[in-house]
Amino acid sequence: QVQLVESGGGVVQPGRSLRLSCAASGFPFRSYGMHWVRQAPGKGLEWVAVIWFDGNYKYYGDSVKGRFTISRDNSKDTLYLQMNSVRVDDTAVYYCARDQSSRSPYYLDYWGQGIRVTVSS
Amino acid sequence: QSVLTQPPSASGTPGQRVTLSCSGSSSNIGRNTVSWYRQVPGAAPKVLIYKNNQRPSGVPDRFSGSTSGTSASLAISGLRSDDEATYYCAAADDSLNGVVFGGGTELTVL
Repeated sequence: QVQLVESGGGVVQPGRSLRLSCAASGFPFRSYGMHWVRQAPGKGLEWVAVIWFDGNYKYYGDSVKGRFTISRDNSKDTLYLQMNSVRVDDTAVYYCARDQSSRSPYYLDYWGQGIRVTVSS
Repeated sequence: QSVLTQPPSASGTPGQRVTLSCSGSSSNIGRNTVSWYRQVPGAAPKVLIYKNNQRPSGVPDRFSGSTSGTSASLAISGLRSDDEATYYCAAADDSLNGVVFGGGTELTVL
């Protein structure tokens, strides 16, 4: 069965860096686009970034553009989110999610359980 | 401020039919298909509807979706107490090359 397992979260100081990972299993990872979506405490869902199946195209939400980098290693079936210059308002649960499409976003059919990131001094 | 607009709350009684709305623009709902997600506290979202009105296997036909122009709706018939959750609409947005979500509608079954 499809599984997405996030790791790498925790507490980080403002201005520092953190890298999230999402280990995928149960499906041909290299054939699907992948997203990061976050949810601040008590708030709604916010799309963060998408990467196409081959890693050649990446797009970001305005609030993280220039600070976060999405990447993937198809040989390891793993998705990453490198978070640099983090801010207090980056505090959220971060979900990785699979897109039904290999390229342009279609819909997110499987989600990980989420990983908490807290930015605090 | 979410790109897609949803009312923050809705309610209904058991057995009733409720309709949740989602308003967007020409760059998202007007050009791309809509999906709906259900989230209960402490859990990840799950897809309920994709491609405007398609249900993944396992989603009961009490849930139905529709679109018109730059708006979308999710209808839930035969409301049950375990339908209490927050419902999010989403669509691809051509100006972002990404996804936009609504702010979510928290559904209460009275």
